[in-house]
Amino acid sequence: KQEVTQIPAALSVPEGENLVLNCSFTDSAIYNLQWFRQDPGKGLTSLLLIQSSQREQTSGRLNASLDKSSGRSTLYIAASQPGDSATYLCAVDYSNYQLIWGAGTKLIIKP
Amino acid sequence: DAGVIQSPRHEVTEMGQEVTLRCKPISGHNSLFWYRQTMMRGLELLIYFNNNVPIDDSGMPEDRFSAKMPNASFSTLKIQPSEPRDSAVYFCASTTISGANVLTFGAGSRLTVL
Repeated sequence: KQEVTQIPAALSVPEGENLVLNCSFTDSAIYNLQWFRQDPGKGLTSLLLIQSSQREQTSGRLNASLDKSSGRSTLYIAASQPGDSATYLCAVDYSNYQLIWGAGTKLIIKP
Repeated sequence: DAGVIQSPRHEVTEMGQEVTLRCKPISGHNSLFWYRQTMMRGLELLIYFNNNVPIDDSGMPEDRFSAKMPNASFSTLKIQPSEPRDSAVYFCASTTISGANVLTFGAGSRLTVL
């Protein structure tokens, strides 16, 4: 069964710290992997997409890595800010449209 | 582009009533998805359209749910009759199926069935 797990479910850190969010998946035959951000009461915003053939993607203070052999992806956030507070979801694409979603990590950055 | 547009943003209705949620995808996107999000079950894919044709509706909970996409710029999700357990946030998302399927989500429609 294809499953996606995100640990921890919640994380609270002081402003300015670098942090890592984790995503693991059971089936390594992925098409791509995406990280999303969801603010309370809002829709999801795509942050980074890593193709199956790629190892990492970077956008500003965000860096996402992919290790298919170990079934893991990490989202690294540098110099965290209160505005980074949100729920971060990982989604694995196996079949060109059928995303398998993690339950998300709720991140709180304390000023 | 204004992004994926959903309406209504909030709907409160009574059990048994018909509910219609609407979605306008991003112009040029050829694939549209309807998702449901609840605290208990997270994000669930309800139905997926490609070029206005329903490809996979296996996630539609039961016959009370139906979805249509009459053209490339409009889709509806209908619940008839609605039940309290249908209360959730319903999201519409669109993309172009290509090498990089970055999904763009709408802001969602929050449905409360009393």
